[in-house]
Amino acid sequence: SAVISQKPSRDICQRGTSLTIQCQVDSQVTMMFWYRQQPGQSLTLIATANQGSEATYESGFVIDKFPISRPNLTFSTLTVSNMSPEDSSIYLCSVEHLQETQYFGPGTRLLVL
Amino acid sequence: AQSVAQPEDQVNVAEGNPLTVKCTYSVSGNPYLFWYVQYPNRGLQFLLKYITGDNLVKGSYGFEAEFNKSQTSFHLKKPSALVSDSALYFCAVRDLTGRRALTFGSGTRLQVQP
Repeated sequence: SAVISQKPSRDICQRGTSLTIQCQVDSQVTMMFWYRQQPGQSLTLIATANQGSEATYESGFVIDKFPISRPNLTFSTLTVSNMSPEDSSIYLCSVEHLQETQYFGPGTRLLVL
Repeated sequence: AQSVAQPEDQVNVAEGNPLTVKCTYSVSGNPYLFWYVQYPNRGLQFLLKYITGDNLVKGSYGFEAEFNKSQTSFHLKKPSALVSDSALYFCAVRDLTGRRALTFGSGTRLQVQP
């Protein structure tokens, strides 16, 4: 399986600020995704990070709030902009690697005060 | 649209007993089905998947799952539960021909009592 790392692992932020989360994979992958897991909830897809083009966002998520970069096949960033307490969640990146299977990073725990 | 239902918020089982965590799905075409486990303060770990072939698939840590097309189910099973199996389990689905992102169920918390 692919080895995925995320930075930071956790953070506490003030409302109105922005946080950029990094996702690094140890091999080149075509498909990368960003999910959100709100407290006590399941995972919801934010967007698909496309290499060399704009990310594809799901309904309810917009680029101004969650800008995503994908400069190459091993790296992506997700920014949570103008944060509010409702953005407090775990943010996870995932990659599709080998035989249609998605593997997940350890997640970034975000608390917005 | 695709969806996944996990009807039980929590499943309690005694150590050594068999366990079942239920999952039903809805997709427009043929499904790819997955089970993941999440331990406290950890990311999701892949357990097993069904893409094609034998309806009974075996995965990590002694878990297995049975794909039942007529009942649109993909229940997770283990013959003998361990206390260390206590965690949050997620079923997920994607359409064979559709978008590659996963749709997750609401999760089932498994509690194995010593």
